[in-house]
Amino acid sequence: AQSVAQPEDQVNVAEGNPLTVKCTYSVSGNPYLFWYVQYPNRGLQFLLKYITGDNLVKGSYGFEAEFNKSQTSFHLKKPSALVSDSALYFCADAYGQNFVFGPGTRLSVLP
Amino acid sequence: DSGVTQTPKHLITATGQRVTLRCSPRSGDLSVYWYQQSLDQGLQFLIQYYNGEERAKGNILERFSAQQFPDLHSELNLSSLELGDSALYFCASSVEGQGTEQYFGPGTRLTVT
Repeated sequence: AQSVAQPEDQVNVAEGNPLTVKCTYSVSGNPYLFWYVQYPNRGLQFLLKYITGDNLVKGSYGFEAEFNKSQTSFHLKKPSALVSDSALYFCADAYGQNFVFGPGTRLSVLP
Repeated sequence: DSGVTQTPKHLITATGQRVTLRCSPRSGDLSVYWYQQSLDQGLQFLIQYYNGEERAKGNILERFSAQQFPDLHSELNLSSLELGDSALYFCASSVEGQGTEQYFGPGTRLTVT
């Protein structure tokens, strides 16, 4: 069965510093990988996805993610964090039409 | 705004009761998904409908059921409610096709007392 791991429950970073939120996926065929963000009392918002092609994917709000097949990883990155980036981030792997979500990583950007 | 709407936003009910949650997908999306988000279980896929037909089932309890109507809106019915059913319930929609992103509604917060 597909599974997605986000090894860090919490990531703290200072405003202006680069941020990384980690995600690894289980290997089963070609992965379709997604990142979503959830702000308090809101639904999940789509940030970006990897289907095929370039391993570096650019998404909304300045976020990007790097697909690494050998490490089965899809880490979310941003060169310069903003306080407003503080939220819960979910990685997901899609098989067919169904998504398997990771447990989420809470990002806190400190001013 | 994702274009997916859910009603009601909040629901408070007692154990043993039955509730219905409603979802309207984005215009043009034929697939609707239901998820449950709780503190201890994370985001759990419940069920998917595509153009009125059940497409996939996840960790959905027998006490729960769903349907998608001809106008593509969907309803999630939760019956014989227990305290542990208290959670956020999200609906998402997508176009058909592998690798397409899902767009989530704002959720319904259910509290069972």
